[in-house]
Amino acid sequence: AQSVAQPEDQVNVAEGNPLTVKCTYSVSGNPYLFWYVQYPNRGLQFLLKYITGDNLVKGSYGFEAEFNKSQTSFHLKKPSALVSDSALYFCAVRDQYSGNTPLVFGKGTRLSVIA
Amino acid sequence: DADVTQTPRNRITKTGKRIMLECSQTKGHDRMYWYRQDPGLGLRLIYYSFDVKDINKGEISDGYSVSRQAQAKFSLSLESAIPNQTALYFCATSDLSSQETQYFGPGTRLLVL
Repeated sequence: AQSVAQPEDQVNVAEGNPLTVKCTYSVSGNPYLFWYVQYPNRGLQFLLKYITGDNLVKGSYGFEAEFNKSQTSFHLKKPSALVSDSALYFCAVRDQYSGNTPLVFGKGTRLSVIA
Repeated sequence: DADVTQTPRNRITKTGKRIMLECSQTKGHDRMYWYRQDPGLGLRLIYYSFDVKDINKGEISDGYSVSRQAQAKFSLSLESAIPNQTALYFCATSDLSSQETQYFGPGTRLLVL
C-alpha cells in the first residue's frame, strides 16, 4: 500500500523568509514523489518530481524539494517566499514498481505568504 | 493546462437530475482520471482508465459512472445527482513515459440543489 501525509493544514510565512511545506510518505518499494500547486480557481499544476538520483530536486517558480529516504520525507522548500506563492500545495506518491496504481495525493497544505 | 479541457466549467443542477461532465486532452496520454475536491478532504479518485478498454473504480465511485469514448475523451456521469455531490471535479491525464506525472484540467464546479 502507498500513502502520503501532509501534517500541516496551513503554513504562514512572511514575504522574503524561507518556506517549508512538509510531506511524508509510505511505499513498499522505491518512491516516485511529486509536488503540485493549486492557485485559486485553477487546476493543479505540476511543480517538480523525484524519480531517482540527486536528493535535491529543483522545480518551477524557484521551488525545490529534498528527498530523505531515512525519514521518508519529501519537503518542499523555497529560499525566499513571495506573496504570489500563496496557494494550496499537494504532495503525491506512487511506488516505482506499481505500474497500474495511480498517484496517491495528500490532503493539501495551504500556504499563506504575508507581505 | 490548456492541453486538458473540461466542460462545462460551472454547472448548477437539481437533485435527481442526470448530468455529464466531459474531459478532452491533446497530450496523447493513454491514462485518464476523474477526481473530486472538497475542502479539507483533498483530492479523491473517482474513476480511472489506462486505455480505451480499461475502466477502474477509485476510492469513491458510488453514484458515478464513466465512459472512455476515445483515447482523448473521458466523461463522468452522475446518474441521479444529490447535494453531497456538490464539489469541484478535476480530470487528469498521465503516461508511463513521464513516471505517471499527472496533468490536470481547469476543473468543473458543480452545485447540486
